[in-house]
Amino acid sequence: GQSLEQPSEVTAVEGAIVQINCTYQTSGFYGLSWYQQHDGGAPTFLSYNALDGLEETGRFSSFLSRSDSYGYLLLQELQMKDSASYFCAPGSGNTPLVFGKGTRLSVIA
Amino acid sequence: ETGVTQTPRHLVMGMTNKKSLKCEQHLGHNAMYWYKQSAKKPLELMFVYSLEERVENNSVPSRFSPECPNSSHLFLHLHTLQPEDSALYLCASSQEEERDYTFGSGTRLTVV
Repeated sequence: GQSLEQPSEVTAVEGAIVQINCTYQTSGFYGLSWYQQHDGGAPTFLSYNALDGLEETGRFSSFLSRSDSYGYLLLQELQMKDSASYFCAPGSGNTPLVFGKGTRLSVIA
Repeated sequence: ETGVTQTPRHLVMGMTNKKSLKCEQHLGHNAMYWYKQSAKKPLELMFVYSLEERVENNSVPSRFSPECPNSSHLFLHLHTLQPEDSALYLCASSQEEERDYTFGSGTRLTVV
């Protein structure tokens, strides 16, 4: 079977650092993707981890631990425009991505 | 523009109507997807087309009917919908086996 857990809401202050965790149980796990979706907008791809460790892309970093079935998205130097929903999506072989309910991030001044 | 264009952006339809949602991509991708996004629910995969052939149908009611005439276009035909079908319908495309999906902005559907 498959399961996916991430917090439903997170609030953080502008300029701070926030970590959004994701735990999954996925048969045939291949890698973990992260997507961002602003209200009324399309989900957009942020990052993909196939190997353990940290991948950095500007202010955003994503981490994966395959042995722990765990990953996180790290957002640094938060800006108001980072307020959005963030989805982790574990990939399994050639099957389409399965998304969770997402984490709604609110950045406050 | 994200590279995937969906029309219409908004649609209100009665339960007895028939309508179609359109999705178009010119990214050279060979897989296309329909997802449904309802409030407080995960993105739900509805249909997958790979190389223009349907490869997955996640127990979607027959009142939703997909069509993929070529690798650039995907349709979702709707008929006799229910109010609970009101949602944001998102189209996405990718290269098969890649994890970088490009989504359209969606069609906000309201069934009255």
